[in-house]
Amino acid sequence: IAGITQAPTSQILAAGRRMTLRCTQDMRHNAMYWYRQDLGLGLRLIHYSNTAGTTGKGEVPDGYSVSRANTDDFPLTLASAVPSQTSVYFCASSEGSSSGELFFGEGSRLTVL
Amino acid sequence: GENVEQHPSTLSVQEGDSAVIKCTYSDSASNYFPWYKQELGKRPQLIIDIRSNVGEKKDQRIAVTLNKTAKHFSLHITETQPEDSAVYFCAASKSGGYNKLIFGAGTRLAVHP
Repeated sequence: IAGITQAPTSQILAAGRRMTLRCTQDMRHNAMYWYRQDLGLGLRLIHYSNTAGTTGKGEVPDGYSVSRANTDDFPLTLASAVPSQTSVYFCASSEGSSSGELFFGEGSRLTVL
Repeated sequence: GENVEQHPSTLSVQEGDSAVIKCTYSDSASNYFPWYKQELGKRPQLIIDIRSNVGEKKDQRIAVTLNKTAKHFSLHITETQPEDSAVYFCAASKSGGYNKLIFGAGTRLAVHP
């Protein structure tokens, strides 16, 4: 069982380019999340989805969009990347939206130049 | 909204000593307090959690205590081992879901042999 798979693992991107980070889970979890991790700031929620077909904004949603067409996939899109979006991005899932463990992917390191 | 402060940002101990990491939260309605461990280059993983109806919870060498009146909670690691070296994150949320889970900035623990 893979759990949560993120791609790419690492990417260098020119400012202004569009980028989609992919996230797939095989645990049939209802809820999925995208966090960014920055030194000294911990993990901050970008967007979440409590169930397929629904999404919501987290703490830092500006400049990002998500979609949840099915249970397994939760891609994160940067429409026009800026250097401040340089970060490590973690996708996560949980069985319910308010209980159980958060399972994280391995992370995607994104550098915007 | 909720704000979680975590101290210290770095902690260095000798193998066998105890380590304590403290977090304070601002929203008195918060009722769920998990701790995540992130080894270097790895994903965060849940190590222990506590809900507001409990004052203390133990799991082998780790324990978490909660003081609702003072709005702080702490992680205690006894008999530390080199493999305990990692970044530890506390978090807090109130009923309504993980979309309201707020993380602290993290504590980098180094256990020296």
